[in-house]
Amino acid sequence: QSALTQPASVSGSPGQSITISCTGTSSDVGTYKYVSWYQYHPGKAPKLMIYDVNTRPSGVSDRFSGSKAGDTASLTISGLQAEDEADYYCSSYTSSSTLVVFGGGTKLTVL
Amino acid sequence: QLQLQESGPGLVKPSETLSLTCNVTGGSISSYSYSWGWIRQPPGKGLEWIGSVYYSGSAYYNPSLKSRVTISVDRSKNQFSLKLSSVTAADTAVYFCARLPPGIAVYYFDYWGQGTPITVSS
Repeated sequence: QSALTQPASVSGSPGQSITISCTGTSSDVGTYKYVSWYQYHPGKAPKLMIYDVNTRPSGVSDRFSGSKAGDTASLTISGLQAEDEADYYCSSYTSSSTLVVFGGGTKLTVL
Repeated sequence: QLQLQESGPGLVKPSETLSLTCNVTGGSISSYSYSWGWIRQPPGKGLEWIGSVYYSGSAYYNPSLKSRVTISVDRSKNQFSLKLSSVTAADTAVYFCARLPPGIAVYYFDYWGQGTPITVSS
C-alpha cells in the first residue's frame, strides 16, 4: 500500500477540467511544500509536471496546475487533450526516515 | 537534451545481487550540483523510492531496503549505479534512474530514464 493515497482512475472529455487528489498526512503533504507530480506513459520516461506544490517546470503547459489544502494535494488539468491520457503520480518529502514517498498512481482516461 | 538510460540483466536469481547502471548523456554527471536517484515500480503497484545520492556525497536510502542497497556515482564514466543484494521475488519491478536538480531541499526528480524491467526468478 502506497504512503500517499490517489484515486485509481479519473476520466474527462476533451476540453473539460479534471482534478486528481493526493492525500497524505501531517508528516508529509500536510506540513511540507515539497509535493511533486509526474506524468507517466508506460514504456516512456516519467515526466515532471509540478514541483514544490504548484511550480511548473519550463516547457510544461500552463493547463497543468497544482495546489494543496491540509493533508491533500491536487493536480488540475484544464482543457483536457487526448495526449494527457496517462498515469499520474504524486510524491512528497516526508519527515519519516523514508524521505520520499509516492502515491499509488491515477490513470487518467480522456473519453 | 539530457537523457538517462538504465541497463541491467533483466533476470536475476533469488539471493543474488542485482546490479543496474544508469548512463547519463547530453550532460556531465559532475555539472553543477546535481544529485541522482533510483525508483522502482513493482507489477501492478505504485512507485517506490529506493534511494538518492546527493552532490555532497551523502546517500539516503529507503529504510525498507537500506540494509541491501548501495548507490554510487562514477564520474569518469558519466554514470551511476544501484546494487541490491539478496534479492527475492518481491524485488521484481521496473527500475528507473532519475536526476534531482541542484538545491538544498530538493526532493523531486526532473529527468528520468525509461526504466528497465527486472524479474527475480530461478
